[in-house]
Amino acid sequence: EPEVTQTPSHQVTQMGQEVILRCVPISNHLYFYWYRQILGQKVEFLVSFYNNEISEKSEIFDDQFSVERPDGSNFTLKIRSTKLEDSAMYFCACRSPGQPQHFGDGTRLSIL
Amino acid sequence: SQKIEQNSEALNIQEGKTATLTCNYTNYSPAYLQWYRQDPGRGPVFLLLIRENEKEKRKERLKVTFDTTLKQSLFHITASQPADSATYLCALDLRTGGFKTIFGAGTRLFVKA
Repeated sequence: EPEVTQTPSHQVTQMGQEVILRCVPISNHLYFYWYRQILGQKVEFLVSFYNNEISEKSEIFDDQFSVERPDGSNFTLKIRSTKLEDSAMYFCACRSPGQPQHFGDGTRLSIL
Repeated sequence: SQKIEQNSEALNIQEGKTATLTCNYTNYSPAYLQWYRQDPGRGPVFLLLIRENEKEKRKERLKVTFDTTLKQSLFHITASQPADSATYLCALDLRTGGFKTIFGAGTRLFVKA
């Protein structure tokens, strides 16, 4: 079965540094998402992306965050200046129209 | 305020019994509701989706019901097995003009042999 691939599996970054999390969605899926999950807490919606633009974003997704689909296969989440509270698991997901989302296994982001 | 509540943080049942998990929501009008399974350190895995005009869906040992009047979904696992032990997440897909999915906090299910 096709998979959503996320890299790296674990990213350690100094506070204030920029970080880019990468995702390779399932080919021919058209809708893309980023979520985060702080340890022990619920999965939180960050942003959805369709037709090369942001479709919806949450209050968490402030000016420090951006998303991009640079080459038609990768889907990236950039955090410009990381804070301690950005430490979490970040999940990428994708789906076809009318179908459920498929999730990757996440990138664990640790901010020191 | 808008809320999604899953009935309990943890549920312990004996192997072979039926597990019933509850998802209640307030002040949302979901287009559809989904149930996912999440194992430690892994991403959510889709199990079942039910649309607002559907009352019940089944897949093998899984059954989900959806009552938009009560604003509640029930998720059943029949003939439960220790391998069913995991966290089960309820998620609402919202009619927002865009695409937004809101997750509940999950219920951890422990199935004892």
